Amino acid sequence: DAGVTQSPTHLIKTRGQQVTLRCSPKSGHDTVSWYQQALGQGPQFIFQYYEEEERQRGNFPDRFSGHQFPNYSSELNVNALLLGDSALYLCASSLAEEYNSPLHFGNGTRLTVT
Amino acid sequence: AQSVTQLGSHVSVSEGALVLLRCNYSSSVPPYLFWYVQYPNQGLQLLLKYTSAATLVKGINGFEAEFKKSETSFHLTKPSAHMSDAAEYFCAVSQPSGGSYIPTFGRGTSLIVHP
Repeated sequence: DAGVTQSPTHLIKTRGQQVTLRCSPKSGHDTVSWYQQALGQGPQFIFQYYEEEERQRGNFPDRFSGHQFPNYSSELNVNALLLGDSALYLCASSLAEEYNSPLHFGNGTRLTVT
Repeated sequence: AQSVTQLGSHVSVSEGALVLLRCNYSSSVPPYLFWYVQYPNQGLQLLLKYTSAATLVKGINGFEAEFKKSETSFHLTKPSAHMSDAAEYFCAVSQPSGGSYIPTFGRGTSLIVHP
């Protein structure tokens, strides 16, 4: 039973560029959440996708956008990258019908902006 | 609004000693509470969760946490530390928002275990 998988594992980009991160949820899960974890900090909620729509959004600018596909996989896009966007980006999946079920996390994508 | 405060960014113990990681929460409604562990270069893994069924919650790897409403606390303990427990630990609080539950995480506590 495959868990949450994320790609790529590492990425280096230049300021102003755009990046796309990908996530496949745990088998059987239908909800995907994205978190940003800066060095030495806890994960910060970016947004959550369910039924191919953004259901909740955290306090992140519009440069951060996402998408969920019919197979429940998801993408996180960040435009006009800033140095401060350097972080570990975590994808987490869950099952909507399981009331407040715990999140299952992938190992993350380490984004470095130079 | 919900929030989590983890006291102590680093906790250092000797192998075999008691582990105590502190977590205080703020929530406008009865919360759901979680502890997650993160090993280097990995994502977060659930240790245990409180969902109002019992105030003392047992998790994996010998960890447990006690919910104390009067103190708004959910501290994590383990009677005897093992070298393999060295990791980053995150407390999280969750309450309903817009039809779903979105956990808010604390800043984390790094557990260091000395031989």
